[in-house]
Amino acid sequence: KNEVEQSPQNLTAQEGEFITINCSYSVGISALHWLQQHPGGGIVSLFMLSSGKKKHGRLIATINIQEKHSSLHITASHPRDSAVYICAGINFGNEKLTFGTGTRLTIIP
Amino acid sequence: ETGVTQSPTHLIKTRGQQVTLRCSSQSGHNTVSWYQQALGQGPQFIFQYYREEENGRGNFPPRFSGLQFPNYSSELNVNALELDDSALYLCASSYRGGSYNEQFFGPGTRLTVL
Repeated sequence: KNEVEQSPQNLTAQEGEFITINCSYSVGISALHWLQQHPGGGIVSLFMLSSGKKKHGRLIATINIQEKHSSLHITASHPRDSAVYICAGINFGNEKLTFGTGTRLTIIP
Repeated sequence: ETGVTQSPTHLIKTRGQQVTLRCSSQSGHNTVSWYQQALGQGPQFIFQYYREEENGRGNFPPRFSGLQFPNYSSELNVNALELDDSALYLCASSYRGGSYNEQFFGPGTRLTVL
């Protein structure tokens, strides 16, 4: 069983819709990265958070430590948001990232 | 851009050969991690180097080895290449010294083993 579980695996939405991607993680993971990967492979770090909420432009990430759950939200989605979004858990102390399976997001114009 | 660079961007090798992939860390970072991402899969942790020493390893055989240099650049070496080694290899650098250390990824090297 993976220590980091993501849902949904695939998500298709119309331009302008509000998007939510969920991530659950197990004991031992103490912070989360949200990452974006476009076709071709390059990974961009969107957020790293260990508590609360962070916002950057149309992207919002929240984390609930008690429930071991995090969400990534995209407001006013746009076709350029189409990518694979990955949450990755950080094991404090050994710095190892454990990746979720990713959510493939497609925004249709 | 993150400031993390990798070379080469693409590489084709044949089974049994050896390959060296390179990563240049973001300025000020002292830790580099390497990941393997097979097609359609999420990245898998290979190992991490901190201050020139291996500091954690995933479930990869010894033919995967690495180095970190005094300038914190790094190499990933793979010996006796197998077809299943075909993947995108990602490095990520970070600064260890605080609490949680955000990792910044390079663009990756796509290795094809024929």
